[in-house]
Amino acid sequence: QQPVQSPQAVILREGEDAVINCSSSKALYSVHWYRQKHGEAPVFLMILLKGGEQKGHDKISASFNEKKQQSSLYLTASQLSYSGTYFCGTSVRGNEKLTFGTGTRLTIIP
Amino acid sequence: KAGVTQTPRYLIKTRGQQVTLSCSPISGHRSVSWYQQTPGQGLQFLFEYFSETQRNKGNFPGRFSGRQFSNSRSEMNVSTLELGDSALYLCASRNGNLAEMGYGETQYFGPGTRLLVL
Repeated sequence: QQPVQSPQAVILREGEDAVINCSSSKALYSVHWYRQKHGEAPVFLMILLKGGEQKGHDKISASFNEKKQQSSLYLTASQLSYSGTYFCGTSVRGNEKLTFGTGTRLTIIP
Repeated sequence: KAGVTQTPRYLIKTRGQQVTLSCSPISGHRSVSWYQQTPGQGLQFLFEYFSETQRNKGNFPGRFSGRQFSNSRSEMNVSTLELGDSALYLCASRNGNLAEMGYGETQYFGPGTRLLVL
């Protein structure tokens, strides 16, 4: 079953913050976040494992709430380069297959 | 290290034909997964190969098949093409050795093959 991402789309001005959520009905073992720009391959951003801590990379960070089976991706002080579609991929314990959400389209305008 | 490569990048076929797509993983990676990406369905998992064996399979009809060679390169074949098979086909590679890497290892995507069925 696909994880559910919200919102489906968001438009921000440069410098604003965004939060993208990824929820699953299953007990998750890992959550992987990717960004895909139009016409390009998805690019890996970060991975969160069950029992792991919040991860961060520059102004992009993510958390994993095991009680809610939800991960959130935080983009602070967004830049034009952050535009793209963000996907979360999830796996459950004992199965290495990743199941992806339908994506969140982020548009940053000057 | 060179990234994941896919050939061809673009293909135009007609209904009823068959097509073969190729994927070369990152050097040292033994797992290759295939995905179909369409605007309405997002990224749908097709199958994963590890050490020449299919390890996981998604919910696609038997017209979709794949294989992996001893050098870890993988091919995906779609027979009797339908209009609905028009999509971006992505492959992704990772080490895939569960004993070594555990579960939750991330994977790296290739640029994809865009297939148009007329």
